[in-house]
Amino acid sequence: EPEVTQTPSHQVTQMGQEVILRCVPISNHLYFYWYRQILGQKVEFLVSFYNNEISEKSEIFDDQFSVERPDGSNFTLKIRSTKLEDSAMYFCASSERQGDEQYFGPGTRLTVT
Amino acid sequence: AQSVTQLDSHVSVSEGTPVLLRCNYSSSYSPSLFWYVQHPNKGLQLLLKYTSAATLVKGINGFEAEFKKSETSFHLTKPSAHMSDAAEYFCVVRQGAGNNRKLIWGLGTSLAVNP
Repeated sequence: EPEVTQTPSHQVTQMGQEVILRCVPISNHLYFYWYRQILGQKVEFLVSFYNNEISEKSEIFDDQFSVERPDGSNFTLKIRSTKLEDSAMYFCASSERQGDEQYFGPGTRLTVT
Repeated sequence: AQSVTQLDSHVSVSEGTPVLLRCNYSSSYSPSLFWYVQHPNKGLQLLLKYTSAATLVKGINGFEAEFKKSETSFHLTKPSAHMSDAAEYFCVVRQGAGNNRKLIWGLGTSLAVNP
């Protein structure tokens, strides 16, 4: 069964460093998403992406964040200058069509020290 | 704005007994509602969804949920718990239209199943 994959599973970085979280959505899916979950808090929407552009972004998704689909398979989330409060589990999701259920990857745990 | 409230942060049941995980939603129009499950060190898996068809929705692993508009509830149930059901469960409402279909999440309910 096709699934969303994410790498790395765990990333440790120092404050101020850039990180790139990688996702490979399900191959025939057209809509892509990033969510995050700070320990003990709700899963929060960050951004949705369709047709090579951002469809919607939350207040969390400020200028430090960017997303890209550099090739036909990867979907990346970049944080330019990480802060301690960026420490969280980051989930990638994809869906085939507008309104379909979103399929989630296993997440990347980002720890900023 | 839409939101969901999961009424219990932690539920503990014995194996073989019924499971009830409660969720109330707030929505200004007919919502799409979901339950996701997260097992330790695993991704988020869709259990079931309601999208304005039948109000009683059956999902995977014997779970089901009933959409009750009058009570603004979407509680998750299972007749008989299994040890493998121990996980974190999230009630989710989908907000937006067009290409904007973000998911709004509850805080989650941790389900423990005792032998």
